[in-house]
Amino acid sequence: QQQVRQSPQSLTVWEGETAILNCSYEDSTFDYFPWYRLFPGESPALLIAIRPVSNKKEDGRFTIFFNKREKKLSLHITDSQPGDSATYFCAASDNYAQGLTFGLGTRVSVFP
Amino acid sequence: EAAVTQSPRSKVAVTGGKVTLSCHQTNNHDYMYWYRQDTGHGLRLIHYSYVADSTEKGDIPDGYKASRPSQENFSLILELASLSQTAVYFCASSPRGAQDTQYFGPGTRLLVL
Repeated sequence: QQQVRQSPQSLTVWEGETAILNCSYEDSTFDYFPWYRLFPGESPALLIAIRPVSNKKEDGRFTIFFNKREKKLSLHITDSQPGDSATYFCAASDNYAQGLTFGLGTRVSVFP
Repeated sequence: EAAVTQSPRSKVAVTGGKVTLSCHQTNNHDYMYWYRQDTGHGLRLIHYSYVADSTEKGDIPDGYKASRPSQENFSLILELASLSQTAVYFCASSPRGAQDTQYFGPGTRLLVL
């Protein structure tokens, strides 16, 4: 059973639009939710992260909205640019020792 | 800038053969991880380590061994490579564990024939 689920699997938006990526999780003990971005041929890199003490985290054009009660979060990319085209992974962790549990990713394509 | 390197960057192996993937970090991080990436499975944790000479099983350890001979080096060993182990393997390091930034290496593309 997938502990971290992402939707949609792929997403196409036009330049300037807002892309919305969804993520949900099963384990109530998860208390750290990072989003990693992967450009083709490169390494995953941390984009932004949130902890359940907050319901929103913003960094430039990237915003995480978090709903602890429903175990859902979403990543909003405002004013999408072609350079944002990549695969975005939602991940979760419940302690410092284990690694991250990743979702399957959402492939985002931004067309000019 | 954090630095994690992996070798080889790509490898073709035969079924039943032994494969060793190496990872080296110059970040002075205690935590190191091995993940594999497959289409349809995202990134999955194979093994991790939080101190030299000790390794821990991740979510999918079957068919893999790990070795952490020093803080800087972390190897992934496939004793008997199988077709199902064809994937991209990423190594990562982190200063304070999974709830801190993980710095990934460039990945190793492994093809088992």
